[in-house]
Amino acid sequence: GESVGLHLPTLSVQEGDNSIINCAYSNSASDYFIWYKQESGKGPQFIIDIRSNMDKRQGQRVTVLLNKTVKHLSLQIAATQPGDSAVYFCAEIPPNDYKLSFGAGTTVTVRA
Amino acid sequence: EADIYQTPRYLVIGTGKKITLECSQTMGHDKMYWYQQDPGMELHLIHYSYGVNSTEKGDLSSESTVSRIRTEHFPLTLESARPSHTSQYLCASSESTGSTGELFFGEGSRLTVL
Repeated sequence: GESVGLHLPTLSVQEGDNSIINCAYSNSASDYFIWYKQESGKGPQFIIDIRSNMDKRQGQRVTVLLNKTVKHLSLQIAATQPGDSAVYFCAEIPPNDYKLSFGAGTTVTVRA
Repeated sequence: EADIYQTPRYLVIGTGKKITLECSQTMGHDKMYWYQQDPGMELHLIHYSYGVNSTEKGDLSSESTVSRIRTEHFPLTLESARPSHTSQYLCASSESTGSTGELFFGEGSRLTVL
């Protein structure tokens, strides 16, 4: 699989490989996190979420990992497909708030 | 698929024109939002609303204004557009209560001011 230790703005992945997208969040007290996928010309779409009382959550082909110690969030995509090419954003909700704060996106390009 | 709609999808206008970007949702959500996004960049919150007759400015200062007269409708207006307003504007909504903070986004309105 392909991964980055720190957030990078772009990620190129071979089709069929696993992808890991990283995100550093800003507020240590944030208690809710979401990953969004934005395809070209479209609005962001919800992928998966996780609460701060969890370390890991799995969905269909995706897994989100939360490391509160270093304020780090990652999204793992298994068996990356061409349809996974998009910009991926992580977002956090600080406590006593409901407004999402978005991080810088990662553009994922899947190579055939 | 989310039931939130934005019009127009694309708009090219001249400087000084007044424009209104429409956003409607049929999910009965109380909370609605406007985000501004430059190509390939992160989303910045410019306006939000808790419900009818409630509007607040977001984190990013914007010369646009919004109104919330009906639950389902959250239009954004620019009284006098300038080239610096060229951007994509994304509308979103979320439930007032519940266990998630998931936002449902529209397809966006891409504004170009000449």
